[in-house]
Amino acid sequence: GAVVSQHPSWVICKSGTSVKIECRSLDFQATTMFWYRQFPKQSLMLMATSNEGSKATYEQGVEKDKFLINHASLTLSTLTVTSAHPEDSSFYICSARLVWQFFGPGTRLTVL
Amino acid sequence: GENVEQHPSTLSVQEGDSAVIKCTYSDSASNYFPWYKQELGKGPQLIIDIRSNVGEKKDQRIAVTLNKTAKHFSLHITETQPEDSAVYFCAAREGSNTGKLIFGQGTTLQVKP
Repeated sequence: GAVVSQHPSWVICKSGTSVKIECRSLDFQATTMFWYRQFPKQSLMLMATSNEGSKATYEQGVEKDKFLINHASLTLSTLTVTSAHPEDSSFYICSARLVWQFFGPGTRLTVL
Repeated sequence: GENVEQHPSTLSVQEGDSAVIKCTYSDSASNYFPWYKQELGKGPQLIIDIRSNVGEKKDQRIAVTLNKTAKHFSLHITETQPEDSAVYFCAAREGSNTGKLIFGQGTTLQVKP
């Protein structure tokens, strides 16, 4: 299947700092990218949908000013968690779609 | 919007036995149903999918069935192996323009050697 990469794979930061996570589709151009959050032993919860060159569409309850999404090209999307707090600690997973939807390996964020 | 229910939440089988995971969905406009396998600390991997114009699809030891009338679909794994142990998620793609995938709650499958 197609390859989607994420960087970093894990990050530890202090409360109040911002963290940027990159998502790349390596061998295909994704018309749409998605960002999910997954808490331990729970399902994937969609945070936002982004299309290249346009503003992201956020799911209800997700603060767009806190979770900044930039979809600069057909192969790159970034998620910035601004002013991170311990409750933002989670597993963040991006996904890229051309026809099928493929997921990245995830980024483990721990906010101290 | 779409709602997906998945059962069971945990499933333990002996190596070589079959495993069945079931999902129901609410949106009759949903037309695409993928299944993902997620190993600990990793992202979900697409293992099989089915579209609404097909009733069954098989890929080696894995098969998926879809009943559009009843709005449920199932994953069948035959001749299970220890490496099949993982969390499995079903999903349904909304029939709206968003095309969002809505996930089930997940099933933790344990295959005992």
